[in-house]
Amino acid sequence: AQSVTQLDSHVSVSEGTPVLLRCNYSSSYSPSLFWYVQHPNKGLQLLLKYTSAATLVKGINGFEAEFKKSETSFHLTKPSAHMSDAAEYFCVVSDSGGFKTIFGAGTRLFVKA
Amino acid sequence: EPEVTQTPSHQVTQMGQEVILRCVPISNHLYFYWYRQILGQKVEFLVSFYNNEISEKSEIFDDQFSVERPDGSNFTLKIRSTKLEDSAMYFCASSFVRAQDEQYFGPGTRLTVT
Repeated sequence: AQSVTQLDSHVSVSEGTPVLLRCNYSSSYSPSLFWYVQHPNKGLQLLLKYTSAATLVKGINGFEAEFKKSETSFHLTKPSAHMSDAAEYFCVVSDSGGFKTIFGAGTRLFVKA
Repeated sequence: EPEVTQTPSHQVTQMGQEVILRCVPISNHLYFYWYRQILGQKVEFLVSFYNNEISEKSEIFDDQFSVERPDGSNFTLKIRSTKLEDSAMYFCASSFVRAQDEQYFGPGTRLTVT
């Protein structure tokens, strides 16, 4: 069975400081992992994805995530936060065996000036 | 850039009424999905659809829900007899390959059941 745990419901950072949004997963199969961002009153936009290629994945807007199988983690990072990064971030897992996709509960990122 | 579209953006209906939410996936995509997000809660998978049949569904997707691809472009979610707890944002998504590939999401339809 698959599951996703986002370890922080809220993260607050100052503009220009690093961002770390944590995600742990479990999956019976080789998982594909994604991070999506949702700005207020908007749809979901893909930030990046891991599909068993390089373990360090680069996405849009300067975000990166590292797949660590031993830790079953897929944390999202960005070296320097921007005000426009304030949004809800979802870690998502889908397994290679089926068509089901599981969302984490989301982490709301606040960026202070 | 191609995008997934959804209509209407907001639907208000009375309890017990039927609603149909419409989606136009990206034209060369083969896999289609519906999700819902109750206000303040996480996004929940409802159903996936491939080759004109349901390939996976969650426990939420009970007999009051159905999906259809009535023509070559639309993908619909029908709720037969709406309940108050069906009030949520409903997102449609599509992907070219199956779930391992990224899914492209529509902007959502906000359903309000009164």
